[in-house]
Amino acid sequence: GIQVEQSPPDLILQEGANSTLRCNFSDSVNNLQWFHQNPWGQLINLFYIPSGTKQNGRLSATTVATERYSLLYISSSQTTDSGVYFCAVERRGYQKVTFGTGTKLQVIP
Amino acid sequence: NAGVTQTPKFQVLKTGQSMTLQCAQDMNHEYMSWYRQDPGMGLRLIHYSVGAGITDQGEVPNGYNVSRSTTEDFPLRLLSAAPSQTSVYFCASSGPTSGFNIQYFGAGTRLSVL
Repeated sequence: GIQVEQSPPDLILQEGANSTLRCNFSDSVNNLQWFHQNPWGQLINLFYIPSGTKQNGRLSATTVATERYSLLYISSSQTTDSGVYFCAVERRGYQKVTFGTGTKLQVIP
Repeated sequence: NAGVTQTPKFQVLKTGQSMTLQCAQDMNHEYMSWYRQDPGMGLRLIHYSVGAGITDQGEVPNGYNVSRSTTEDFPLRLLSAAPSQTSVYFCASSGPTSGFNIQYFGAGTRLSVL
């Protein structure tokens, strides 16, 4: 099956700092999404981004499908950004979604 | 729209008991799936369905059974609960939203098997 690796596994930021989270995948995909899991366990879709760049407020994401990676940028981080960030991919030709290992982010005041 | 609704939110079972986790969505999504999340880990796909009457296995299907008789509902059955099935279970659905297949998740069911 497809391998999805995220880095770094853990990240601690001072409030107001910027960060970049990375997702590498081992095969061609036709669907890539970024999720935020808040400290209460709820999973929220941030971006649907199989290729290209998107921005939503302080968050933006870029996927370079030909090189099999995606980046999530968080600018001016806030304590409410804390939680775990997952990327999830759907391998081309298949209908199964595979989640990455996640990046646990803690933003401290 | 309620989105994706999971019941119950919490459940404690004894080894060998059976139960059904319920999942319902009101977005008319064709694709539904079940995941489990163990502490400190990502989500692993148990079973999925691409429409009523069609189901398939995911990464970790053993010990679980599913059926999809309607578009709205996708129950997950534990046939004979084992301590290894202690986990948080998430149901998700997806379908075209502005042309994109975005996944929406339920709030989860926290299951303990003693």
